[in-house]
Amino acid sequence: SQQGEEDPQALSIQEGENATMNCSYKTSINNLQWYRQNSGRGLVHLILIRSNEREKHSGRLRVTLDTSKKSSSLLITASRAADTASYFCAETQGAQKLVFGQGTRLTINP
Amino acid sequence: EAGVAQSPRYKIIEKRQSVAFWCNPISGHATLYWYQQILGQGPKLLIQFQNNGVVDDSQLPKDRFSAERLKGVDSTLKIQPAKLEDSAVYLCASSLLKFTDTQYFGPGTRLTVL
Repeated sequence: SQQGEEDPQALSIQEGENATMNCSYKTSINNLQWYRQNSGRGLVHLILIRSNEREKHSGRLRVTLDTSKKSSSLLITASRAADTASYFCAETQGAQKLVFGQGTRLTINP
Repeated sequence: EAGVAQSPRYKIIEKRQSVAFWCNPISGHATLYWYQQILGQGPKLLIQFQNNGVVDDSQLPKDRFSAERLKGVDSTLKIQPAKLEDSAVYLCASSLLKFTDTQYFGPGTRLTVL
């Protein structure tokens, strides 16, 4: 399997703090995507970063990509209780499919 | 815009029984995906259709799983016979054209095999 790895597997922080999740992958990619999954809304696309981009922002989300290290990070600033969810990175490989990592379970404590 | 619809939402069956899941993608989306998500893991692609042709089914256990996409719109995924290890959430997703496009996921079907 060419599945990437996410770190940490679980993260618990206080509301208002920032949360950082990391993703490493093994093969060259076309782009890398981040998804969020919670029981209420299912799996939802958050942000896509292309292989020629280094950083991308969307609201309170910031994604970075380092192709030399084959890694990406997702930063959520000023966390809220509603951010409690599992976060997955997904890489698009030359095999023409999206491969998801194992995910990071994020818990925001009030 | 209506999202991806799936049914049923929950299904409990005994091993060796058969089960079928249905998916209706977002209107106009050419590509449809079925994923299997086992508890605690990320989704794993089972099969990918572009219109009504199969693009990738390399991880579909073909001895027991089958899928079809009639007329390039709705799709069904069938398991026959089911095994205990098939207990998982089955997610359907669609994207406008390519696998690199944003994928929109349905709510999933939670299957429990006893």
